[in-house]
Amino acid sequence: RKEVEQDPGPFNVPEGATVAFNCTYSNSASQSFFWYRQDCRKEPKLLMSVYSSGNEDGRFTAQLNRASQYISLLIRDSKLSDSATYLCVVLYNQGGKLIFGQGTELSVKP
Amino acid sequence: ETGVTQTPRHLVMGMTNKKSLKCEQHLGHNAMYWYKQSAKKPLELMFVYNFKEQTENNSVPSRFSPECPNSSHLFLHLHTLQPEDSALYLCASSTGTGGNGQYFGPGTRLTVT
Repeated sequence: RKEVEQDPGPFNVPEGATVAFNCTYSNSASQSFFWYRQDCRKEPKLLMSVYSSGNEDGRFTAQLNRASQYISLLIRDSKLSDSATYLCVVLYNQGGKLIFGQGTELSVKP
Repeated sequence: ETGVTQTPRHLVMGMTNKKSLKCEQHLGHNAMYWYKQSAKKPLELMFVYNFKEQTENNSVPSRFSPECPNSSHLFLHLHTLQPEDSALYLCASSTGTGGNGQYFGPGTRLTVT
């Protein structure tokens, strides 16, 4: 079983759509959780951290369910510029070891 | 953004060459990382340095040799690489615990011929 598993994608949606990404992780000792975005041939960029209480940043909402070991990202009113690969990332406590999911590609069309 | 810089951005080398990748962070972080990203695969952690000390070596072949002279600079020395080592090599930095996430440089796209 993969340590961090995401929806396989790709997701093709029209502008203005709401899209949700799901992610599960296998190690219950995981401490911190993040969503990154990676544009084609570019480096990953931190989108937002994910907290148990849920957190929102503009059109983006992230949720964490520790009991189910499940993380989600919701994008509302999607824009063309949201097209990218979204990476679910989990931090293990020791040594700052980040484990990346394989990513889910999003393509927003006009 | 120039928080984490990497040079060179592109590198083509033969299997018998020796080359080095350089990373520099200007964020005041004290942990630095090397990752490898091959096509269609998740990022793979290679090495972790915390306060200049190597704290993680993720079973990386010895043809990759990291060096961290201080908390702001990180090198990856390459020698006798194989074609399957062709990939995007990414450097990242964070605060010591990494709890606020890691910040990546633009990467070096390496091709081994």
